[in-house]
Amino acid sequence: DGGITQSPKYLFRKEGQNVTLSCEQNLNHDAMYWYRQDPGQGLRLIYYSQIVNDFQKGDIAEGYSVSREKKESFPLTVTSAQKNPTAFYLCASRDRGADTQYFGPGTRLTVL
Amino acid sequence: GQQVMQIPQYQHVQEGEDFTTYCNSSTTLSNIQWYKQRPGGHPVFLIQLVKSGEVKKQKRLTFQFGEAKKNSSLHITATQTTDVGTYFCAGMDSSYKLIFGSGTRLLVRP
Repeated sequence: DGGITQSPKYLFRKEGQNVTLSCEQNLNHDAMYWYRQDPGQGLRLIYYSQIVNDFQKGDIAEGYSVSREKKESFPLTVTSAQKNPTAFYLCASRDRGADTQYFGPGTRLTVL
Repeated sequence: GQQVMQIPQYQHVQEGEDFTTYCNSSTTLSNIQWYKQRPGGHPVFLIQLVKSGEVKKQKRLTFQFGEAKKNSSLHITATQTTDVGTYFCAGMDSSYKLIFGSGTRLLVRP
């Protein structure tokens, strides 16, 4: 069963703690993306990676970090430097040469 | 930077009425994609338009791409309660990044 998985679905953390969100895909896609969605808002790009061991900042990268050590994995760390981390985080992937992005189910992060 | 504006923000219709959402880009787009996000869910790809003036249909949904490739629209004929959700347009830039509009939330009264 192919697809994109994100875990956990809901995540609660105390203010000041770093937290890492998981994103795994078995679609053999080269490109992966992280978006943030706030209530009633569109999606904003945090980081993206076109290939293993390479990634670029998106529009709102401050306070976030990523790694791309394996093709199938693109974890996102929300650091304590992110001022308003509570949001819905969506991971997506795209096949090389294709335009469509496929989204995972998302992780709702709440910082208390 | 490149921006994609989408209107209206909300649309509340009676079941059976039509619905349209509009998308405008500040720059010419290589293509435009439409996604639907159900309440509590994640965006799901609906369609991609590439050619100037292109029109595509999916059952009751009609998608258009403007002649200048800077605007697009999604029209739903005779809405049903299953159409409820937020519809996003997204323009692709030269780096294969998607620039999402803010979305139009559709509510349908049964």
